[in-house]
Amino acid sequence: QQPVQSPQAVILREGEDAVINCSSSKALYSVHWYRQKHGEAPVFLMILLKGGEQKGHEKISASFNEKKQQSSLYLTASQLSYSGTYFCGTDNNNDMRFGAGTRLTVKP
Amino acid sequence: NAGVTQTPKFQVLKTGQSMTLQCAQDMNHEYMSWYRQDPGMGLRLIHYSVGAGITDQGEVPNGYNVSRSTTEDFPLRLLSAAPSQTSVYFCASSYAGSRDGYTFGSGTRLTVV
Repeated sequence: QQPVQSPQAVILREGEDAVINCSSSKALYSVHWYRQKHGEAPVFLMILLKGGEQKGHEKISASFNEKKQQSSLYLTASQLSYSGTYFCGTDNNNDMRFGAGTRLTVKP
Repeated sequence: NAGVTQTPKFQVLKTGQSMTLQCAQDMNHEYMSWYRQDPGMGLRLIHYSVGAGITDQGEVPNGYNVSRSTTEDFPLRLLSAAPSQTSVYFCASSYAGSRDGYTFGSGTRLTVV
C-alpha cells in the first residue's frame, strides 16, 4: 500500500514556501523524504522516526504525526535548486513504500 | 568510496530474453532493495534483502528473481522479459533500520521490445 502524497505538483517563485503532505493507511516505523531531479537518482533528505527523532537536511523541516500516520515536508524560502520531484517513503519493518511524488518547480 | 553501483546503465531486450541487472555497494550496508520507477507511479518495491542469504518480496515481485550471496551484491534477474517490464530500475542500500536513509544507485533504463 503506497502512501498518498499531495499536492501532485506545485509551482513557486523563489523565496516562497511550500508544504508537501504524505499519509499512510498503515502504522509506520518511520517516514523518509527524498528529492529526485530529472534523470537522476533519488537523494535522501530526512527521516522521521517514531518517538519524534529526526535526522536530515538543515534547511528543510518535516513533521510526523504517528497517530494520524501523516507526515509533512516544509520547504521555506525556496531556492531554484529545490526544484525536483519529492517522494515520501513509509517504512513498515524494512518494507519501504514510496508515494507517487510531488513535482516542485521553483521559478525566478 | 563508490556508493551503490548499478550496471548496465541502459539495456534493450527482446521479449522473452533474460538478463541480470547488477547492483553492488561498498558501504557494508545490511539492507538492499530493488525498485522500478514508471511515470506517475513513483518507486515500487520489487524485492529486498536484510542481509546475506535473506530475501523477501515487495509490491511487484512477479517476473523477477533475486539472491543475496554476499553483503555487497544484490543482482536482479528478469526471467523472461515482457514489454510491461520497460522501466527505470533503481537499487538502494542502507544500514539496518535505515536511520540514515537509503543510498540509491544511478539506475538502469530498460526497454523491452
